[in-house]
Amino acid sequence: AAGVIQSPRHLIKEKRETATLKCYPIPRHDTVYWYQQGPGQDPQFLISFYEKMQSDKGSIPDRFSAQQFSDYHSELNMSSLELGDSALYFCASSPQSLLSSYNSPLHFGNGTRLTVT
Amino acid sequence: EDKVVQSPLSLVVHEGDTVTLNCSYEVTNFRSLLWYKQEKKAPTFLFMLTSSGIEKKSGRLSSILDKKELFSILNITATQTGDSAVYLCAARRGSGTYKYIFGTGTRLKVLA
Repeated sequence: AAGVIQSPRHLIKEKRETATLKCYPIPRHDTVYWYQQGPGQDPQFLISFYEKMQSDKGSIPDRFSAQQFSDYHSELNMSSLELGDSALYFCASSPQSLLSSYNSPLHFGNGTRLTVT
Repeated sequence: EDKVVQSPLSLVVHEGDTVTLNCSYEVTNFRSLLWYKQEKKAPTFLFMLTSSGIEKKSGRLSSILDKKELFSILNITATQTGDSAVYLCAARRGSGTYKYIFGTGTRLKVLA
């Protein structure tokens, strides 16, 4: 079965550089969530999109932005990177329609490990 | 403020032991409670609970939800070393886009 695809798997950047993380949700999933997970931490919600519109916003820094495209893939853009941005970034998807999402859990990608040096 | 609290934070047991992991939640417009197992990579889905008192089972794992007392438990019987992982619980909040609030996880280590 198709899963959530994230790229790249690993990314090493220097301070003040920019990074772009990509997420391809499961087919027919129209909602995408981005989470940041630091070492030993629980996933922290950053932002979500439904039908290409931002639907909810969590603890996403102003230096980060994201969007969802017409094919439902999403990109998380991170600028002016700081050492504290080093983390595992997960994308997850789910279908939004009431009937399907009621019995459908959130499915996670394998994450992008970002290291800022 | 919505929150999900898991206990214990970490647990070390021997193979064959039974463990019970706890998850309590305070979430507005609560819809469902989800359990995930996280090893080195992505959290993998275990259970989704929406109704109180109905146990869900999958092999040696089982889980139940109490919507009156606002908690859920995850039981693992006859633990194996492969059960070593972080177990995350998440509460799904409804209205508009569903939002998931995660607990900090319980780190389980099963010794041979």
